[in-house]
Amino acid sequence: GAGVSQSPSNKVTEKGKDVELRCDPISGHTALYWYRQSLGQGLEFLIYFQGNSAPDKSGLPSDRFSAERTGGSVSTLTIQRTQQEDSAVYLCASSLQDGTYEQYFGPGTRLTVT
Amino acid sequence: GENVEQHPSTLSVQEGDSAVIKCTYSDSASNYFPWYKQELGKGPQLIIDIRSNVGEKKDQRIAVTLNKTAKHFSLHITETQPEDSAVYFCAARSNSGTYKYIFGTGTRLKVLA
Repeated sequence: GAGVSQSPSNKVTEKGKDVELRCDPISGHTALYWYRQSLGQGLEFLIYFQGNSAPDKSGLPSDRFSAERTGGSVSTLTIQRTQQEDSAVYLCASSLQDGTYEQYFGPGTRLTVT
Repeated sequence: GENVEQHPSTLSVQEGDSAVIKCTYSDSASNYFPWYKQELGKGPQLIIDIRSNVGEKKDQRIAVTLNKTAKHFSLHITETQPEDSAVYFCAARSNSGTYKYIFGTGTRLKVLA
């Protein structure tokens, strides 16, 4: 079946511009996670959704970062006024229920801020 | 705050040898410990996991051990093959109100043919 998909796969943007990254979780998965992976680094937790609500958004690095999820499915991560330090791979993962099941990761969106 | 330390950062082994990667976690409420394999240009993929009520779990050439007292868990790969070359991440998750995963910094494993 279809896995987690993310778009775009690559995004190059100029410093100061806003970007939107999209995640399509596996159908029926109610839990959704966003992570950031900087070059050669581990995965940094950003935000967790259960359905449309975000019980844990403690990992968002600044108020320039926001995320929403509508209809319990697609999620969008928005970065406003991008900075060069925002350059990274942004990974999305979904799981069947409230984090108690295996996470399935998407391929990621590579964001480059010039 | 919560932290997961992972060692080594890089590991080279000869094909057929064993590889061991070790992680230490700080949050004593952690109760689920997955291991992921990430190949170039792809998202991480779960290869094995262990829960806090179990000390060891094995799946063919891969095994994971957990020492709750010491807050250590390790990944063991036996009879390594070139296709095992990848970056491996450990993670720890607590069930104390949030299902946030804390990841280690990764180990780049190279299996030399």
